[in-house]
Amino acid sequence: AQSVTQPDIHITVSEGASLELRCNYSYGATPYLFWYVQSPGQGLQLLLKYFSGDTLVQGIKGFEAEFKRSQSSFNLRKPSVHWSDAAEYFCAVGARGSSNTGKLIFGQGTTLQVKP
Amino acid sequence: NAGVTQTPKFRILKIGQSMTLQCTQDMNHNYMYWYRQDPGMGLKLIYYSVGAGITDKGEVPNGYNVSRSTTEDFPLRLELAAPSQTSVYFCASSFQTPSTDTQYFGPGTRLTVL
Repeated sequence: AQSVTQPDIHITVSEGASLELRCNYSYGATPYLFWYVQSPGQGLQLLLKYFSGDTLVQGIKGFEAEFKRSQSSFNLRKPSVHWSDAAEYFCAVGARGSSNTGKLIFGQGTTLQVKP
Repeated sequence: NAGVTQTPKFRILKIGQSMTLQCTQDMNHNYMYWYRQDPGMGLKLIYYSVGAGITDKGEVPNGYNVSRSTTEDFPLRLELAAPSQTSVYFCASSFQTPSTDTQYFGPGTRLTVL
């Protein structure tokens, strides 16, 4: 069965510092991978997604993520965090091929706090 | 485009009451979804629909019902509300399957069952 683990429930970084949010997945083949962000009181917004090709994916708001097949990981990074990045971040995985029922499996989420 | 809209934003129910959470999208998306979000649990899929007249269960369908009579609307029905259904509910839509396309989320409905 597919699963997604975000090991860090809560992360605090200083404004201007770099950021890495971890995501590990369990799946029998290469899945589709997503990062979503949820600002307080809002719905989720897609940051970036990986389907195939280049394993380093660029997204909106200066975020990027790297797919590492050997580690079953899809970590999210940003070189310099802004106060407006404070939010909850969700990693998600979707199935490929004939087993694709159109479902996404979400991780538990990581809450990012940004210190001035 | 309004995108995905949900009503109401907040609701308090008594145990045993029923209600319908409304969801409408104006992007002509075929796929629509209902999720619930509980603290520390991420999002869990309740029901989804791949087109008008077609619905299917997700991970946590018990206690809920859905219908999809039009492309635009995908209401979620709670028949006998229970405290375990206290949660934030999100509706989402996508053009193709969510594994190959972006899901667009509504702002959510915060439901409390007392």
